[in-house]
Amino acid sequence: GAVVSQHPSWVICKSGTSVKIECRSLDFQATTMFWYRQFPKQSLMLMATSNEGSKATYEQGVEKDKFLINHASLTLSTLTVTSAHPEDSSFYICSAAGTGDLETQYFGPGTRLLVL
Amino acid sequence: GQNIDQPTEMTATEGAIVQINCTYQTSGFNGLFWYQQHAGEAPTFLSYNVLDGLEEKGRFSSFLSRSKGYSYLLLKELQMKDSASYLCAVLDSNYQLIWGAGTKLIIKP
Repeated sequence: GAVVSQHPSWVICKSGTSVKIECRSLDFQATTMFWYRQFPKQSLMLMATSNEGSKATYEQGVEKDKFLINHASLTLSTLTVTSAHPEDSSFYICSAAGTGDLETQYFGPGTRLLVL
Repeated sequence: GQNIDQPTEMTATEGAIVQINCTYQTSGFNGLFWYQQHAGEAPTFLSYNVLDGLEEKGRFSSFLSRSKGYSYLLLKELQMKDSASYLCAVLDSNYQLIWGAGTKLIIKP
């Protein structure tokens, strides 16, 4: 099946620094990638949807200047958390959907971010 | 607004059967997914229903009634490793997944 990787799997950083998370589709071309955030004991919350070569569409309440998303190729999307604060500590998960297959999202393993 | 409802927590016994229900109200419908999520891990795909009826896959089955906005996930012959959260998600008219809060399933020996 389709494989999606995320890097890093764990990151600990100081408050005020920026963190970049990569999401890669390893064996298929991902036209659309989704970024989710999940706080403990809560469900996944969609942050933004990105299509290759175009600007990401952010969900209401998600600051686009704080969570920078770049989907420069059909196999790579990045999420940069700028000036991270402790309240940004969360589990960030990406998923990818292939061309003409929007019904199926393949999930990455997630990145756990801890901001001190 | 869009809404997905599922029970917060359920408890069952090893070897038994458990049914996890999900009701939904969404803008459009392009299918309903069930995912399993173990603590600290990303969700893993279990099933996809877009037509009414029952889909069986090994120990797991998923049922959909579009007219009732209702689905259930049926787990048979429960094993300890089935202890996890089970997430119901609906693909809306914009092909975005609308997620339920998840049902934490606790399996007791």
